[in-house]
Amino acid sequence: SQTIHQWPATLVQPVGSPLSLECTVEGTSNPNLYWYRQAAGRGLQLLFYSVGIGQISSEVPQNLSASRPQDRQFILSSKKLLLSDSGFYLCAWSVRTSGRYNEQFFGPGTRLTVL
Amino acid sequence: AQSVAQPEDQVNVAEGNPLTVKCTYSVSGNPYLFWYVQYPNRGLQFLLKYITGDNLVKGSYGFEAEFNKSQTSFHLKKPSALVSDSALYFCAVRQNSGNTPLVFGKGTRLSVIA
Repeated sequence: SQTIHQWPATLVQPVGSPLSLECTVEGTSNPNLYWYRQAAGRGLQLLFYSVGIGQISSEVPQNLSASRPQDRQFILSSKKLLLSDSGFYLCAWSVRTSGRYNEQFFGPGTRLTVL
Repeated sequence: AQSVAQPEDQVNVAEGNPLTVKCTYSVSGNPYLFWYVQYPNRGLQFLLKYITGDNLVKGSYGFEAEFNKSQTSFHLKKPSALVSDSALYFCAVRQNSGNTPLVFGKGTRLSVIA
């Protein structure tokens, strides 16, 4: 069966510090990968998605970046964190086919607090 | 552009009563619709999806959803609510192709009162 991991689970960082959040998927190959941010326990904001190694689509201009160095690894980064980067970061994957019916499966999330 | 609306921020229901969480959508072409649930400090869990066929879709934990094309709705339902159903619920729609992300509604917080 497929499993998605995120770490760390929680993170407290000072403003201006760098960030690296990691997401890995097991039990599947060539997945689509996604990063979302959720603020204040409400709606989801899509940040990045990837359909293959080195292929990243950015949905929101900001000080965050994403990379996909391996097929099942997706990394979210920042060189300098802002207070507004605080939130709950969720990684997700879906089967990479042309079918529109493929659901996304979410990881457990990382709670980031920027002080 | 595809979009999803969840008109209620909060739904309160007594335990044992039926529950409905509303969702309406806007897409071009045939809709592919999804429901997710999120418990506090957890990731989203997939509940069910509508692709085609029967308008009543059954999913996990006793939930079901009714697709209504004329009203462009996909409401989530459960015949008898449990306190443990209290959570944040998201409706979502797929846009364009299978490789594009789901578009999510803003979420509805369900509170089931004992």
